[in-house]
Amino acid sequence: GQQVMQIPQYQHVQEGEDFTTYCNSSTTLSNIQWYKQRPGGHPVFLIQLVKSGEVKKQKRLTFQFGEAKKNSSLHITATQTTDVGTYFCAGPQSGTYKYIFGTGTRLKVLA
Amino acid sequence: DAGVIQSPRHEVTEMGQEVTLRCKPISGHNSLFWYRQTMMRGLELLIYFNNNVPIDDSGMPEDRFSAKMPNASFSTLKIQPSEPRDSAVYFCASSLGRGSDIQYFGAGTRLSVL
Repeated sequence: GQQVMQIPQYQHVQEGEDFTTYCNSSTTLSNIQWYKQRPGGHPVFLIQLVKSGEVKKQKRLTFQFGEAKKNSSLHITATQTTDVGTYFCAGPQSGTYKYIFGTGTRLKVLA
Repeated sequence: DAGVIQSPRHEVTEMGQEVTLRCKPISGHNSLFWYRQTMMRGLELLIYFNNNVPIDDSGMPEDRFSAKMPNASFSTLKIQPSEPRDSAVYFCASSLGRGSDIQYFGAGTRLSVL
């Protein structure tokens, strides 16, 4: 079945360092979504990418959708303690309303 | 808008007891999803409904789990009988149900089965 993997599983960074998480799908995706879950919280939608090669920015966060629409990345510039949490990518299963969530990358930021 | 509302927020029960988790989706949303989150297995989709009809329940672990959506504003996830391995955080999410939709998650129910 369709799988969505993320690497790394965990990442510890010093505050001010950059951070990148990578998402890879076993199938081509029509779009990809990113969510953030704070510790003890629930996943919250960040962004959706639709076009091949698309790049979107939200302040210090840069999201990219691969040319083949099978991979994506999230890059955070100059991390802050507020960036702590788990970042998930999610891709739709073709022909359904169902999204397959990636395994997540847990980010810890050391002050 | 109050968002997706789940109850209870925490549930502690003993093995063998029946557990019922409740969810009220965002008004106007036509799709509803139940997820389970554990450290070992991550975020797993259990079942989803569209227009109150169960569309895909392939993620439901076994017959002890059942879900209903009697109307557009209410859904339940029932575990009977509960087992310690069911301990997890259960999330409900809703979306407009038109494909490629943003999912809005509730705060979750943390279930502990002793």
